[in-house]
Amino acid sequence: GQNIDQPTEMTATEGAIVQINCTYQTSGFNGLFWYQQHAGEAPTFLSYNVLDGLEEKGRFSSFLSRSKGYSYLLLKELQMKDSASYLCAVLPNDYKLSFGAGTTVTVRA
Amino acid sequence: TAGITQAPTSQILAAGRSMTLRCTQDMRHNAMYWYRQDLGLGLRLIHYSNTAGTTGKGEVPDGYSVSRANTDDFPLTLASAVPSQTSVYFCASSDEEVNEQFFGPGTRLTVL
Repeated sequence: GQNIDQPTEMTATEGAIVQINCTYQTSGFNGLFWYQQHAGEAPTFLSYNVLDGLEEKGRFSSFLSRSKGYSYLLLKELQMKDSASYLCAVLPNDYKLSFGAGTTVTVRA
Repeated sequence: TAGITQAPTSQILAAGRSMTLRCTQDMRHNAMYWYRQDLGLGLRLIHYSNTAGTTGKGEVPDGYSVSRANTDDFPLTLASAVPSQTSVYFCASSDEEVNEQFFGPGTRLTVL
């Protein structure tokens, strides 16, 4: 099976920066996704990394190191609406997306 | 644009009864997926379909069946529900396996 680890919970202050780490051990690698899921809603796509390095998209950035089996999602200038769960997911050799349990981020005023 | 829809929104089901969760997408995506989401476990793949007419088993397929008669629809059937199938079920689709998945709003199922 696939093994994807991320912290369960994180808390940060409005306007601050939070980094959510994800480590993975999978049977092959065809890319890593980050999804955002607000309570009671469906996951929505945030980012995709397949090559090493940083992908920046507005206030959100995602980093990948394939040799270390490591990724992080960086959320800058935190807003209250960023309070949500963030899901790390890896696409292994069988192309069946495997999700981590998710990190719940709480943004405090 | 509707995207991907699921029905019902929620359901309470007696153990031993059968039920079909419906999923329809209007994006003409080839691939469709069914996941269940349980607290602390994240999303787990139940069944998938890479294209109309084909289906495959995911990580937790036991007790569930699917069909893919056409591109748009991907129903999930519980033949004889058990309490451990109490969960939130999400349907998703993508145009190709390597691309982002779009999720439906989910069905909250309680089996008593």
